[in-house]
Amino acid sequence: DVKVTQSSRYLVKRTGEKVFLECVQDMDHENMFWYRQDPGLGLRLIYFSYDVKMKEKGDIPEGYSVSREKKERFSLILESASTNQTSMYLCASSFQGGSAFFGQGTRLTVV
Amino acid sequence: DQQVKQNSPSLSVQEGRISILNCDYTNSMFDYFLWYKKYPAEGPTFLISISSIKDKNEDGRFTVFLNKSAKHLSLHIVPSQPGDSAVYFCAASAGPGNAGNMLTFGGGTRLMVKP
Repeated sequence: DVKVTQSSRYLVKRTGEKVFLECVQDMDHENMFWYRQDPGLGLRLIYFSYDVKMKEKGDIPEGYSVSREKKERFSLILESASTNQTSMYLCASSFQGGSAFFGQGTRLTVV
Repeated sequence: DQQVKQNSPSLSVQEGRISILNCDYTNSMFDYFLWYKKYPAEGPTFLISISSIKDKNEDGRFTVFLNKSAKHLSLHIVPSQPGDSAVYFCAASAGPGNAGNMLTFGGGTRLMVKP
């Protein structure tokens, strides 16, 4: 079974803090993704990585950065958290051309 | 502007009846479509997919229909069961290469199956 693991289920951070969300997959997938889910807006792609050290911006990259130093790990970084970044964050991975497998999600609240 | 739209935010169906979830898209480059199911506090799980070379794909109780000319797809669940109650997301991807790996999602439809 594919396993995509996100380091935290729930996080509460203060405005202005630097926040790290970690994601690890165990299926040697080339592709890894970070999405955020908001009511009525579905899942919106923040960043995508198709190989180690490679990244591409998704639809809403502003305020976020990513790091992929190892194939199995993809980190999402909020440089200076703001209240409009309160959301459910979902990490996913896939083979080239395959369907994406998702982690359980991290509900981030910025106060 | 949303390229993938699910116009019904919610749907309520009686157990045993058919559930039909709809999805419309605007990008004619989309050539692969997927449905995901999501329970609260869990990540989405892949349900069923269809390539643009087909107009129907069936897997047990789940069937996806694709109408390319109308840029419309639908998910049919027959018979519906209470355990099917979840949020369903339609997703699409476009073309070869990296674009083919990026999924664009609709806003989701919350399905409630009543016993």
